[in-house]
Amino acid sequence: DAEITQSPRHKITETGRQVTLACHQTWNHNNMFWYRQDLGHGLRLIHYSYGVQDTNKGEVSDGYSVSRSNTEDLPLTLESAASSQTSVYFCASSDGSSSTDTQYFGPGTRLTVL
Amino acid sequence: AQSVTQPDIHITVSEGASLELRCNYSYGATPYLFWYVQSPGQGLQLLLKYFSGDTLVQGIKGFEAEFKRSQSSFNLRKPSVHWSDAAEYFCAGYWGAQKLVFGQGTRLTINP
Repeated sequence: DAEITQSPRHKITETGRQVTLACHQTWNHNNMFWYRQDLGHGLRLIHYSYGVQDTNKGEVSDGYSVSRSNTEDLPLTLESAASSQTSVYFCASSDGSSSTDTQYFGPGTRLTVL
Repeated sequence: AQSVTQPDIHITVSEGASLELRCNYSYGATPYLFWYVQSPGQGLQLLLKYFSGDTLVQGIKGFEAEFKRSQSSFNLRKPSVHWSDAAEYFCAGYWGAQKLVFGQGTRLTINP
């Protein structure tokens, strides 16, 4: 079955380190998204991509970057991790063929920055 | 800017009781509307969605939601909750550009 996976599921790192969170989908979806989830804020969009080589900034993109070299993967990189980036990160994908597409979410990565 | 508001951060209901979770969206163009559920330690699962047409939408797990344009609302309901419904529920709106705007979430606790 097609799915969307994230790795690692849990990560502890230190302030200043570079961290990369993986997202892989097997639906062949054009659109991929990264969100962070924080108490009281719901999910906020970090970056998104409409296809290979396309990336766009979301609502809370500072300190994060993404690259899209193929359809299946959209890794999220924290260039220099900060304690404020402790959060749960969700990846999502959608087909992109119509404006009524549903987004499908991965299981999430819990990141702790010490 | 477009926004989605869930006024209730936490709701507790007894098993078997009815449930209503509130969701309001900002004024302006009517968005497409979604309800997602997140079980502990899990990702988000789509419960139902509203694009147009019938304002009462049926979803999975016995949930339904009613769109009311006059109130800018899209409240989620279930006639009788089960202990397995304990989760966090998110309302989301879509105004275009393939981007969802989420509410803050409502945590549902079920008393036995």
